[in-house]
Amino acid sequence: GAVVSQHPSRVICKSGTSVKIECRSLDFQATTMFWYRQFPKKSLMLMATSNEGSKATYEQGVEKDKFLINHASLTLSTLTVTSAHPEDSSFYICSAGPATGINQPQHFGDGTRLSIL
Amino acid sequence: KNQVEQSPQSLIILEGKNCTLQCNYTVSPFSNLRWYKQDTGRGPVSLTIMTFSENTKSNGRYTATLDADTKQSSLHITASQLSDSASYICVVSGEAGTALIFGKGTTLSVSS
Repeated sequence: GAVVSQHPSRVICKSGTSVKIECRSLDFQATTMFWYRQFPKKSLMLMATSNEGSKATYEQGVEKDKFLINHASLTLSTLTVTSAHPEDSSFYICSAGPATGINQPQHFGDGTRLSIL
Repeated sequence: KNQVEQSPQSLIILEGKNCTLQCNYTVSPFSNLRWYKQDTGRGPVSLTIMTFSENTKSNGRYTATLDADTKQSSLHITASQLSDSASYICVVSGEAGTALIFGKGTTLSVSS
């Protein structure tokens, strides 16, 4: 079945470091991928929509210069948290779905636990 | 405002028992409703997806129902197992090109 791979699964780094998270669709092409943030015991919060070959669309309140998104190919989107600070610590999840049909399920990566010291 | 409300917020049941989780939504227009299972520290995994014309869909011990008229859905889990302990998230999709709308989830704990 369709699989979305997210890497790394966990990152611990110092404040001020930039962190890149990769999201890959392994057996299908995804013109659109989604990036979410999830706080403990809360639901997923959409941060941005990543569009292959064009600029990402950010949700209100999400700083595009803070969370850089690149979707350079039909199977890879990256989220870079620039100059990360402790308040950026969270669980980041990406999702993607086959391009054909709105009624296809979105497949989620296993998330990246980001901890900024 | 498009919203998805789930109840209960949390639930504890004994292994082997059945349970039903509820989801009410106000999303319009409506394309489909999805139930996901999210284990702690993992990404959500799709259980079922139902369109406007579907009333029920099963996936093993999971059975989802949808009443598009009252905008309600339920997820029934039969003969629960310890591995069913997770967060169950109801997600509604509106028109094409719009973001999915997530419920806050129901945390299910199955104990022996």
